[in-house]
Formats: sequence, C-alpha cells, structure tokens
Amino acid sequence: AQKITQTQPGMFVQEKEAVTLDCTYDTSDPSYGLFWYKQPSSGEMIFLIYQGSYDQQNATEGRYSLNFQKARKSANLVISASQLGDSAMYFCAMREGHGGSNYKLTFGKGTLLTVNP
Amino acid sequence: NAGVMQNPRHLVRRRGQEARLRCSPMKGHSHVYWYRQLPEEGLKFMVYLQKENIIDESGMPKERFSAEFPKEGPSILRIQQVVRGDSAAYFCASSPTRTGGTEAFFGQGTRLTVV
Repeated sequence: AQKITQTQPGMFVQEKEAVTLDCTYDTSDPSYGLFWYKQPSSGEMIFLIYQGSYDQQNATEGRYSLNFQKARKSANLVISASQLGDSAMYFCAMREGHGGSNYKLTFGKGTLLTVNP
Repeated sequence: NAGVMQNPRHLVRRRGQEARLRCSPMKGHSHVYWYRQLPEEGLKFMVYLQKENIIDESGMPKERFSAEFPKEGPSILRIQQVVRGDSAAYFCASSPTRTGGTEAFFGQGTRLTVV
C-alpha cells in the first residue's frame, strides 16, 4: 500500500486565489511527521512546512498552512493568495517516528500546480 | 537549503563510465541521507550514513552503487558503469541527529544524465 498518496497529478489556480493540495497517508505508528516540499522547474527541493502527529494545532508558515485531519489521515497543504511564483511541483512526505528507520522520508508522487495570471 | 551543498549540479556520463556525486552537509551535521528522484516521481531513500559508517543502505541498488562519508570531506555517492536507467536527480540531506528534527533540508541536487 502507498504510504503517501497525492491524488491530484495537476492543479490550476488563478492568481490571488487559495488552493488546496491533497495528501493522505498510511501509517500505524502513533508518532510521525508530515512535510511538504516545493520543487520549482529549477529542480531544488524547498522545505515548506512540517506537522507533527502530536501537534494540537495546524502548522502555518506565511501563506502556507497544513490542514491536518488525523482521524482521516490527511495532511492537505493550503496556499493562500497564490502567486505566479507558486507554480511548481509539490510533494508531501512522511517520516515515521518509531522503529529502526525513523530517519527515512517517504514521498508521494507530487502535484503540479500551475498559477494562472 | 543553501547549507547542504551538492556538486556538480549537472553531470553527463556515457554508458559504462563512473559517476561521482558529492554532498557537503550543513555545518555541524554528521548524518547524511541520499535520495533519488526518477523522472516524474517523488524522492526515494537510498542510503543513510554517519561519519565513516553506513547505517542503512536498504534503498541502494546492490550492484554498481556505493556511498561513503569519510572522516574528512564530503559524502560521495558513486555509480560505476552507469546505464541509461541511472539518469535521475540525486538529492542529499543532512541532520545533526539521527531523526532529523522537524525540518529536513535538501541540497540542490545533482542531475545525472547518461547518454
């Protein structure tokens, strides 16, 4: 079974509007962390935001927020007030907290976001 | 994050040649992780190293691939006798501790093209 599922291969949004990128995850570990990365066309992986499984509040970083619904095992990324520079590939990733391999990140296949002017 | 330095950024090799990818971790970090990104895929874990030790190489192909992180100098990912299927982006991340904390920063990656 896929540990990280991103069901939207591509998304379009108008500049200045908000957009939600979906991510669901699968783990039986009670301790885990969820990450979102942005990969622009230049190729680097840019860390955006982190949510821990025990965090009571949804994580926020500027225009990025993470809609964490633990019971549904979803960790959707919300980008508010989209900008043209937000056009990129976005990856959701998980690190499971316990066990011998708690350093590994498992990535989804990504969502290509295009912001239209 | 600019703190993790990878070079070269782009590498072209002919089939059968060797590729050497270098990763200098952030200052004070002694844990290094290599990931590979095949075209149109997410990153996949390859290997985890500490200084002079390979901790987990479960994601690394058993043949032709090797990694090291010597006491001095960068971590090296070495691919011998490259084939077209090795064409990918290779990313390195580092951390001060085993778990990497609440942030996980990658270098800018090395894009390997095998012709």
